[in-house]
Amino acid sequence: EVQLVQSGAEVKEPGESLKISCKGSGYNFANYWIGWVRQMPGKGLDWMGIIYPRDSDTRYSPSFQGQVTISADKSISTAYLQWTSLKASDTAMYYCANSINAVWGSWGQGTLVTVSS
Amino acid sequence: DIVMTQSPDSLAVSLGEGATINCKSGQSVLSSSNNKNYLAWYQQKPGQPPKLLIYWASTRESGVPDRFSGSGSGTDFTLTISSLQAEDVAVYYCQQYYSTPPTFGQGTRLEIK
Repeated sequence: EVQLVQSGAEVKEPGESLKISCKGSGYNFANYWIGWVRQMPGKGLDWMGIIYPRDSDTRYSPSFQGQVTISADKSISTAYLQWTSLKASDTAMYYCANSINAVWGSWGQGTLVTVSS
Repeated sequence: DIVMTQSPDSLAVSLGEGATINCKSGQSVLSSSNNKNYLAWYQQKPGQPPKLLIYWASTRESGVPDRFSGSGSGTDFTLTISSLQAEDVAVYYCQQYYSTPPTFGQGTRLEIK
């Protein structure tokens, strides 16, 4: 069974750094794209970027380029989403998803990030 | 980015009645190489991640009830629920995966009338 398990909820202050994770199992992690999606409170789904773990080819949506860093460690089947300096506007639920045969079919449970002073 | 626009933004339907959600893409998502439409539909209930319902515009994901169906090609697509059940209350999103990055529509909130 394909599974994506994300790290737990985080509460941070503005200006702090953060790295959240998404661990895949049940499939060949290295060979399929992983993506990150933001959902701000009460809002829709925003695609942030995607990464191909085998060679770390990474593509960012224009709105998120330079704002976050997406990485992956194929040796432990884990993808990451990282911020160097959080803002209150980064408060959101973040989901990872994988793309097998082009279809984004499996999703993590979500990681709630709260940024507040 | 390909812009995806859904209509309506919200919809209230009586139990047992049909519901139709439309999705329009800013450019065609039909691939000439394989004649497939790179269009998916997702259902999201409160507190849950999105759940894939339909992919390739009309292929139902395993386990999805057959009251859900997808149609359309090129730039215009439709999700149809043939007979609304209480558990279908959710927000529905279309998504194109023809180009990178994938993009979602703004969502359609489906409620019981």
